[in-house]
Amino acid sequence: AQTVTQSQPEMSVQEAETVTLSCTYDTSESDYYLFWYKQPPSRQMILVIRQEAYKQQNATENRFSVNFQKAAKSFSLKISDSQLGDAAMYFCAYRSPPPGYALNFGKGTSLLVTP
Amino acid sequence: DTAVSQTPKYLVTQMGNDKSIKCEQNLGHDTMYWYKQDSKKFLKIMFSYNNKELIINETVPNRFSPKSPDKAHLNLHINSLELGDSAVYFCASSQEAGQGGYQPQHFGDGTRLSIL
Repeated sequence: AQTVTQSQPEMSVQEAETVTLSCTYDTSESDYYLFWYKQPPSRQMILVIRQEAYKQQNATENRFSVNFQKAAKSFSLKISDSQLGDAAMYFCAYRSPPPGYALNFGKGTSLLVTP
Repeated sequence: DTAVSQTPKYLVTQMGNDKSIKCEQNLGHDTMYWYKQDSKKFLKIMFSYNNKELIINETVPNRFSPKSPDKAHLNLHINSLELGDSAVYFCASSQEAGQGGYQPQHFGDGTRLSIL
């Protein structure tokens, strides 16, 4: 089974600054999908960004971008211009190939945003 | 208008009881899931159903039995509840046919199950 590792249990960033959350994964597949989900204290699971492994270009969604290094099996999330509302648990996830389609999650990184 | 809805949001019960959590999605998706989030926030897949067919059944005790009456519903029934079952249970759905795996999973708001 694919494993996903988030090596930073907690991170802190000041408002308006930039922070990078790291994620590495282990797989023997060549084509797969990666996701970052955000879980605020409200408990909702919110999709932040996604990346297809066969695409070289890094995905970007407004202030959120990824640094996808396929050879290194690394998928880090960069949050620019951090806002108080970005405070949450962030989960990196690897999409299992069919059948099944399940997400394999990392253990999460708790992001604290300070004024 | 909620895309994936779970009921109840909170469930407090005693050891040994049987309980059910309901999940419904109105997105027209063909695949539904149950995930368990433990006290350390770790999320793990329990079951996956595609067009009402069980696709994934992870190492979950037999006391957990999913039921999918139709593509829009995936309910979770738990028999003989134990202290270790205390967790947050998330239902999710996604469209898989013809999408190649890129479609995100949409999650419900979770059900916090507390065993006394």
